[in-house]
Amino acid sequence: DIQLTQSPSSLSASVGDRVTITCRASQSIRNYLNWYQQKPGKAPKLLIYGASSLQSGVPSRFSGSGSGTDFTLTISSLQPVDFATYYCQQSYNNPYMYSFGQGTKLEIK
Amino acid sequence: EVQLVESGGDLVQPGGSLRLSCAASGFTVSSNYMNWVRQAPGKGLEWVSVIYSGGSTNFADSVKGRFTISRDNSKNTLYLQMNSLRAEDTAVYYCARAAKLSVIAGRDYTELYDAFDIWGQGTLVTVSS
Repeated sequence: DIQLTQSPSSLSASVGDRVTITCRASQSIRNYLNWYQQKPGKAPKLLIYGASSLQSGVPSRFSGSGSGTDFTLTISSLQPVDFATYYCQQSYNNPYMYSFGQGTKLEIK
Repeated sequence: EVQLVESGGDLVQPGGSLRLSCAASGFTVSSNYMNWVRQAPGKGLEWVSVIYSGGSTNFADSVKGRFTISRDNSKNTLYLQMNSLRAEDTAVYYCARAAKLSVIAGRDYTELYDAFDIWGQGTLVTVSS
């Protein structure tokens, strides 16, 4: 099975900061990598699919990059609403397993 | 409006069974890859199961042989039958649609990516004596 490892597990940052979260796959997943945002008590929300494509309605301060085994999610200028937990997910397996990374909690400094 | 609404979560004893439901509106369950994802208290997301549009299924190793996934096309509803429940199955269970989202990858060529674009609100399953 493909394992996804996110780093860091938690991160403190301030409003206006540029933040980068990393996701590493245990084998190449080409660019079959998605990113989600989850706030406490809420369902996850899709931000990025195909490693770098922005989901409709998601602010342009979010961007994704990478291919193969190494991927990043970048928030260019943190807003108060961005403090949440972020997950990567792979959709490369066939048959699909859709595994998730362990999450990165983004907190206010 | 496109939405998913889960129900059926409850307190159940170890070894017991429970069936979760996920009613869809605004799209057709049988035309999509439909999934269950769970989240144990204070933990991360764990993918549980998928039913493909063709009807075949797949499961995480942690639930294989104990859980089954199905759908009722007439009710546009997804189900998760959970048997032989364990304490470690305690979680909020979400249903989610895996949409095939397209990206232009070259001239006259698009790539399709599966991503969970619609989620339910979740239903809590507690396994405890």
